[in-house]
Amino acid sequence: NAGVTQTPKFQVLKTGQSMTLQCAQDMNHEYMSWYRQDPGMGLRLIHYSVGAGITDQGEVPNGYNVSRSTTEDFPLRLLSAAPSQTSVYFCASSRATNEKLFFGSGTQLSVL
Amino acid sequence: AQTVTQSQPEMSVQEAETVTLSCTYDTSENNYYLFWYKQPPSRQMILVIRQEAYKQQNATENRFSVNFQKAAKSFSLKISDSQLGDTAMYFCAFGMNTGNQFYFGTGTSLTVIP
Repeated sequence: NAGVTQTPKFQVLKTGQSMTLQCAQDMNHEYMSWYRQDPGMGLRLIHYSVGAGITDQGEVPNGYNVSRSTTEDFPLRLLSAAPSQTSVYFCASSRATNEKLFFGSGTQLSVL
Repeated sequence: AQTVTQSQPEMSVQEAETVTLSCTYDTSENNYYLFWYKQPPSRQMILVIRQEAYKQQNATENRFSVNFQKAAKSFSLKISDSQLGDTAMYFCAFGMNTGNQFYFGTGTSLTVIP
């Protein structure tokens, strides 16, 4: 199994540009989530989903949109990138609440 | 709201020695789960150990064990017989019983010295 696949691994954007971080899992997990990791701040939850068609906001949702049209995919959209969104982004999935999280390999995003 | 605090930004330990990483959390929930994740330089996130709050028995996984003190809201990780491969960032995480919400601490960078 591929597990959780994130693309791209690296991305550089200019302020104001938009982009979508892709996340796909092949484990038929209902639960998926997006985190950002910043130095000295750990991982912070951006958005999460408990199933297809259901999404909700986490700790730091501003500037990000998500949708969950299928069980497999959970893309994260930046509508107008800002330097404050420079970070490493992780997508994760799990079989059930409070089961082990399976993480993607991360996306290093720089906004200039 | 839930918070997770790791008060040791950096630690080091001699190879083959034992080290304990601290974690405290704050919650009004009674049923929850606690985790330790390891992040080596490869950036991959790896589950080290998981503890269910309703279980009094401390979880163990080979050289890794926890000291779970529910009343004190403390969840420390003990690594025995430290190995060079244990060098990594370690994150403590709190998981709600519903809703797929997890809260992470700021991490402890552990270096194992040969």
